[in-house]
Amino acid sequence: QKEVEQDPGPLSVPEGAIVSLNCTYSNSAFQYFMWYRQYSRKGPELLMYTYSSGNKEDGRFTAQVDKSSKYISLFIRDSQPSDSATYLCAMSEYTNAGKSTFGDGTTLTVKP
Amino acid sequence: NAGVMQNPRHLVRRRGQEARLRCSPMKGHSHVYWYRQLPEEGLKFMVYLQKENIIDESGMPKERFSAEFPKEGPSILRIQQVVRGDSAAYFCASSPDKGEGLAKNIQYFGAGTRLSVL
Repeated sequence: QKEVEQDPGPLSVPEGAIVSLNCTYSNSAFQYFMWYRQYSRKGPELLMYTYSSGNKEDGRFTAQVDKSSKYISLFIRDSQPSDSATYLCAMSEYTNAGKSTFGDGTTLTVKP
Repeated sequence: NAGVMQNPRHLVRRRGQEARLRCSPMKGHSHVYWYRQLPEEGLKFMVYLQKENIIDESGMPKERFSAEFPKEGPSILRIQQVVRGDSAAYFCASSPDKGEGLAKNIQYFGAGTRLSVL
């Protein structure tokens, strides 16, 4: 069983929709939680990062962490066609923050 | 400020040849990480290096793969006697030398090297 499971998708939504992307994990030692966006044939680009439980908002993006349920989410408000990409969740332990464990990604398409 | 630079972007090798992938971290970064991404999958951690030291190589295959980050020059991921199963995108990331808490752990990724083994 994988340490990090991500909703597989693909996900297709109309422009302006609210998008919810989700990951669950099994390792209770994970303390750092990240979301990356990856365009086709490009490297991952960091979108959001959080430490431990709670919410963090940045523009149209909100990251949510629920450590009690081992569940993290990324919400995208007012989605745009330019948001079409693969979204990867990633996590790391406090004592081994150099090693990130990634989900397999969810591919999102936002239709104009 | 240039980002993480990886070269070559594309590399084609025949079975049994050697592949050398290079990564130059961002300025001010001395922590380098290598990940491998198979089609339709997420990134899998391979190795974490600091200058002249391997910090964590728990994700490296036991044979044929090696990595180094010398005092001068880029980090190198070396794959000897490549096989078709080595075909993948290999990403390098770097993180800063200084910073507090979470900021120090943020990894910035390069564009990757796509290895194709014929």
